[in-house]
Amino acid sequence: DVKVTQSSRYLVKRTGEKVFLECVQDMDHENMFWYRQDPGLGLRLIYFSYDVKMKEKGDIPEGYSVSREKKERFSLILESASTNQTSMYLCASNSDSGGSYNSPLHFGNGTRLTVT
Amino acid sequence: DAKTTQPNSMESNEEEPVHLPCNHSTISGTDYIHWYRQLPSQGPEYVIHGLTSNVNNRMASLAIAEDRKSSTLILHRATLRDAAVYYCILRDDNAGNMLTFGGGTRLMVKP
Repeated sequence: DVKVTQSSRYLVKRTGEKVFLECVQDMDHENMFWYRQDPGLGLRLIYFSYDVKMKEKGDIPEGYSVSREKKERFSLILESASTNQTSMYLCASNSDSGGSYNSPLHFGNGTRLTVT
Repeated sequence: DAKTTQPNSMESNEEEPVHLPCNHSTISGTDYIHWYRQLPSQGPEYVIHGLTSNVNNRMASLAIAEDRKSSTLILHRATLRDAAVYYCILRDDNAGNMLTFGGGTRLMVKP
């Protein structure tokens, strides 16, 4: 089974801190994604990457950056955390086989970030 | 982007079939219909997907209307572990991996 592992389940950070959220997948997937999930807003795509060192903005990239130095690892960076970035963050991956649009996404269990 | 409409919540009894509806009246010819579910305190989990024909797998069945403007996810025998939020999503092959989750349907299963 595909495993997508997020480094922390819960994080509490202070306003202005630099925050790193790490995600690792073990199935050699080309594509990796970061979403945030908020009540009433569903899941919203922040950034995605379709190859090492490649990144694309999603729907809400402001205040975030990403890094993909190795195929299995995709990091989300909050350069200066703010209280409105308190949320559940979900990492996902999928492969390009059969067409990437047709390939299921595999999600991690999420990191609940609280910014105080 | 084509959108989907689902009921906010549904209830089912354990061991009975569940039919979860989804309307997508603006679906385009290149949109695949995907279903995911999210159990409490977990990330979303892929359930099933299809384009035009009905599909079956070990988790569920997907029935797609002939005009593709609606679909139904069928759980053949609901268990307490099926209590989750179910998301119906359209994936456009021209949009790559821009997959948009809406509000979903919260399924409650009564023993």
